[in-house]
Order: sequence, then structure tokens, then C-alpha cells
Amino acid sequence: DSGVTQTPKHLITATGQRVTLRCSPRSGDLSVYWYQQSLDQGLQFLIQYYNGEERAKGNILERFSAQQFPDLHSELNLSSLELGDSALYFCASGKSPVDNEKLFFGSGTQLSVL
Amino acid sequence: QKEVEQDPGPLSVPEGAIVSLNCTYSNSAFQYFMWYRQYSRKGPELLMYTYSSGNKEDGRFTAQVDKSSKYISLFIRDSQPSDSATYLCAMSVGTGTASKLTFGTGTRLQVTL
Repeated sequence: DSGVTQTPKHLITATGQRVTLRCSPRSGDLSVYWYQQSLDQGLQFLIQYYNGEERAKGNILERFSAQQFPDLHSELNLSSLELGDSALYFCASGKSPVDNEKLFFGSGTQLSVL
Repeated sequence: QKEVEQDPGPLSVPEGAIVSLNCTYSNSAFQYFMWYRQYSRKGPELLMYTYSSGNKEDGRFTAQVDKSSKYISLFIRDSQPSDSATYLCAMSVGTGTASKLTFGTGTRLQVTL
């Protein structure tokens, strides 16, 4: 168990809908990363937060947004969903904003857009 | 062309075999190289981390980096059924760039009894 908790594990929704994915980092970790994993693209970095502040952005669509709350949990909001948004969404946490060798991943949320 | 290329497999080997997993890359600025293991329905977990060229050994696992050829490898000795998973290579330009980790698409490994 990595100590990173993601909910829900599975999400099935329809095109045009909005969903929220939740992540609780490991105890003591201040940095949260969101990744999207699809079969053809592999793991793609979406966005990083450190201690409540946005730290870095990757290939995140404008329809997607995230935030990190004072208790350090993070939420990824996906809106106007399209079929192509179906993927595994992972959250990872680390102690510092530069911990690229010590990321701990959650078990992911499998999103299916029908 | 992707920055990091990895054969998706699947690669099937008998228990006890030596496994070789490989990635090639195109960005010569990559300096930090990692291997992650991902079991089905789980998140990736870091297996090996190496800087620059050379070998690094940890138990049954050896990571090898050849920067001149832009080629990295992960060797698994005495493979076990519990090694059955997808193995992802990842690399970055430098420290402080976790957000810029570039992953391969993963190689699925099956170790049979």
C-alpha cells in the first residue's frame, strides 16, 4: 500500500457530464501530482500542486481543473466529458516540490465515458 | 515519434529466466532514468533510479544506462511469477522536474511456472 488514497476506484458517466476525482496524499507529503494513463499514450502528466499552490502544468485540457485544499487532499475536476477522456487517472504524492525520484502513486480512478 | 519508445510486449518467460526490458529515447538532455513496476489495477511503484550512464544493482534487478546509444535496460535475474507486471521506464532532464517525467508506454511481462 503506497499510502496514497484515490476515490472513487471506478466512475462511469456520459458525455457532456462533469466528475470529480479525489486524492489524499501520504501523511507528510505536500506535493500532489495528477497523471492520465491511456493505452496508446501511456502516463501523461497533467498538473502538480505543492502545499496548496499550483506548481506545474502539463498537457491538461482547459476542461480539466484541479485544486489542493488546506488539508492537502486534492481534487481533479473533469467537465464536458468526451469519449476520449476515458482513461485511468492517477494521483501521486511526494514530500517536496522536487521529489522526482520518490513519487508514490495511488491505485487510480478508472473513468469510463459512454 | 515519441520521446521514449518501449516495446509493449507481452513478454512471456519461464520462471527462473533472465528478463531484459528496454527503452530507447531521443532527447539527449535526459539525465535521470527510472523504472517503475505496475501491477494490474494498481499504480506504478518505483523500482530503480539511476543518474547518467552506468549500472545500478538492487537485489535481482539491474538497471543499465547507455547515454551514447540513448538506450536503457532493466534486467531481472531469477524471474518469479510475482514479477508479472507492466514495467514502465521514465526519464527526466534534471532534478526538480518531477512534473516533466516522460514515461514509456510500458512492457507487459508474464513469468510462467
